[in-house]
Amino acid sequence: VQLVESGGGLVQPGRSLRLSCAASGFTFEDHVMHWVRQAPGKGLEWVSGISWKSGSIGYADSVKGRFSISRDNAKNSLYLQMNSLRVEDTAFYYCARGISYQGPALFDPWGQGTLVTVSS
Amino acid sequence: EIVMTQSPATLSVSPGERATLSCRASQSVSSNLAWYQQKPGQAPRLLIYGASTRATGIPARFSGSGSGTEFTLTISSLQSEDFAVYYCQQYNNWWTFGQGTRVEIK
Repeated sequence: VQLVESGGGLVQPGRSLRLSCAASGFTFEDHVMHWVRQAPGKGLEWVSGISWKSGSIGYADSVKGRFSISRDNAKNSLYLQMNSLRVEDTAFYYCARGISYQGPALFDPWGQGTLVTVSS
Repeated sequence: EIVMTQSPATLSVSPGERATLSCRASQSVSSNLAWYQQKPGQAPRLLIYGASTRATGIPARFSGSGSGTEFTLTISSLQSEDFAVYYCQQYNNWWTFGQGTRVEIK
């Protein structure tokens, strides 16, 4: 099972960026997928999640209305479109698989992350 | 939003000693509590789910306990590779994380 994020970089406040996550080693379309971020030296924050066929989508209040999650099951890929970026969006962005071992789903595994830096 | 509070923020432990980390939820999360380990420059790795079940490949020196609002992660005999930051996460109602406990070498 492998998740590989890409698309991070340096961007000015107010601009946009699109992150991608390539999945392999499991049946991608069977799993809810998530984005989680971590500001440098800080804790973890769930950002967004999307169900198997994109019928159910959720966002953290901190990104609602600015970020958009999507997936392409044919390409085994997850995306995060980030618009109107703010300095406080600076973070490592991790892609994570949702999986239920017992009870509700949690995150396992995680990709290695991609760094988004928002600065003028 | 369920707020997760971890203590202590930093734990200084000698190799071979026991480490006990605490996590408290602002409301009951039943047993829907996970622990993750994160080493510098790496992604978080799942250690414990269901409050007390070790994930695949996790050594037996890691154990979890608790339910409702109070949880504990115990590392029975710290190895050099265990010095890291540990996060608890509730997945009972959306997903929220504690702020982390750093386990450092004493």
